[in-house]
Amino acid sequence: ELKVEQNPLFLSMQEGKNYTIYCNYSTTSDRLYWYRQDPGKSLESLFVLLSNGAVKQEGRLMASLDTKARLSTLHITAAVHDLSATYFCAQGGSEKLVFGKGTKLTVNP
Amino acid sequence: DGGITQSPKYLFRKEGQNVTLSCEQNLNHDAMYWYRQDPGQGLRLIYYSQIVNDFQKGDIAEGYSVSREKKESFPLTVTSAQKNPTAFYLCASSMSRTNEKLFFGSGTQLSVL
Repeated sequence: ELKVEQNPLFLSMQEGKNYTIYCNYSTTSDRLYWYRQDPGKSLESLFVLLSNGAVKQEGRLMASLDTKARLSTLHITAAVHDLSATYFCAQGGSEKLVFGKGTKLTVNP
Repeated sequence: DGGITQSPKYLFRKEGQNVTLSCEQNLNHDAMYWYRQDPGQGLRLIYYSQIVNDFQKGDIAEGYSVSREKKESFPLTVTSAQKNPTAFYLCASSMSRTNEKLFFGSGTQLSVL
């Protein structure tokens, strides 16, 4: 059974600080996605990681994929309040994506 | 503009009533999905369809039904058998049968009166 585990589930950080969200998955399928969700809103695609060692960056967010460790990370650099949201990773099985429970990020001034 | 349209945005169900959530896409995507999201939880797959006139149960299909008569439409019916239907429902689509990137609709919040 495909499992995706994120940690931490809740993250409160100050503006200007750095932090990393971790996503572990259980199968060898190596297609990994990161999404952002604002309260009461839909999910917005952030990154698609397709191969071992893939690294993608957009603004203050950088995602990476280590297929040998079955681990993806989402690194936040110099956080700002606008990054407050819930972040989900999702891992691709044969026919469907399985989502982690999400990390609720709160960036405090 | 291409996208996925869900309606209504808010829906209230009386006990014993069936309700239908609409999902329409004009992205020409083959695959469509319904997810349920409960507060503080991830997304759980209800049903998915990879081609017209075919669909499969996801992880929590009990109490729900779907149809896929047209490529662009994938309505979800929440039946009276679903005893705890209050949740945020998200429809999504992807280009093909494989596990490609999902595009999401804006969601429907279903509550029980």
